This record gives sequence, C-alpha cells and structure tokens, in this order.
Amino acid sequence: DSGVTQTPKHLITATGQRVTLRCSPRSGDLSVYWYQQSLDQGLQFLIQYYNGEERAKGNILERFSAQQFPDLHSELNLSSLELGDSALYFCASSQGALPVSGNTIYFGEGSWLTVV
Amino acid sequence: AQSVTQLGSHVSVSEGALVLLRCNYSSSVPPYLFWYVQYPNQGLQLLLKYTSAATLVKGINGFEAEFKKSETSFHLTKPSAHMSDAAEYFCAVSGYGGSQGNLIFGKGTKLSVKP
Repeated sequence: DSGVTQTPKHLITATGQRVTLRCSPRSGDLSVYWYQQSLDQGLQFLIQYYNGEERAKGNILERFSAQQFPDLHSELNLSSLELGDSALYFCASSQGALPVSGNTIYFGEGSWLTVV
Repeated sequence: AQSVTQLGSHVSVSEGALVLLRCNYSSSVPPYLFWYVQYPNQGLQLLLKYTSAATLVKGINGFEAEFKKSETSFHLTKPSAHMSDAAEYFCAVSGYGGSQGNLIFGKGTKLSVKP
C-alpha cells in the first residue's frame, strides 16, 4: 500500500459526460501528480500541483482540469468525454516539488475510466 | 528534453534464469532514473532509483540496476527469476537540473516467467 488513495476504482460513463476523479496523497506529501495510462499512449504525465498551486503541465487536454485543495487532496475533472479518454488514471504524490534525491513519487492504484 | 527507451515490449525467461530488462535514456541534464513495477490490475510500485550516489543500485525483490553514463543506460537485472516477478516494468527519468518534478516513462516491458 503506497498510501495514495484514489476513488472511484472503476467508472463507466457515456460519451459527452463529465466525471471527477479524486485523490488523497500520502500523509505529509505536498505534491500531487496525475498520469494517464492507455494502450496506445502508454504512461503520460498530465499535471502536477504543489501545495495548492499548479507546478507543471504535461499532455493534458483542454477538456480536462485539475485542482488541489487546502487539505491537499486533488481532483481531476474530465468533461465532454470521448471514447478515446478510456484509460487508467493514476494519481501520485511526493513530499517536494522537484526531483531531488529524497523526493520519491508514490503512485495510487488508479481509477479505471471506461467511456461507452 | 528527456526521454526513455525500453528495448523489448515483451521478455520471456524461465524460472531461475537471469532477468535483463533494458533501458536507455536521453537527458539534457544529469538524470535521476527509476524502475517501477506494475502487477496486473495494480498501481505502480517503486523498485529502485538512481540519484547520483552509487552507480549500482539495489532495489526490492532482488532487483538491481547499473547506471552507465557512457552508454546512457540503466538496465534492470535479477540473477534468478521467480514466477512472482511476472509483471510490467517501467523505466522513468527525471532531471534534477530541471524545473519539473514529474517522471517521463518508457513504454514498459512485460516480463513473463515460464515454469
């Protein structure tokens, strides 16, 4: 158990809909990351938040947005869903914002999204 | 820009045989390098990481990896495969000289272990 909690574990929704994925980081971790894992794209970095502020942006679509709340949990909002958005969405957390030696990134078990 | 190339999307070994999973990286800054493992229907678990201390890094479950700057490689090895090692393995890079803390992953190598 990494200590990173993601809900829901599985989600099936229709095209055009909007969903919210939730993540609770490990106790004491200030950084939260979102990754998307799909068969064709592999593991893609979406976005990073550090202590409530957006820190880095990757290949995140404009239809997707995220935020980190004062209690440090994070939500990833996916809207106008398309079939191609079906994927495993990982949340990860770390203590710091930058890749220094002690800043290990721990992953949750992921949220499976199926768009039908 | 940083990138990782994992050679071989599938590797099959016999139980007790050597495991060698290959990873080459590209980085404009000195890299930190990682190996993660993903068991079926589970999240990613950190196996080991290189953070510029020792070039030979030992991880969990008997795995180790050697950082070779001249070859820009960080191959993962285990002397004797066990059935429980069957999983997908991901190599990743981040740059401690950069401004971003995220990991860049390779496409993964699926390891099968035959009895």
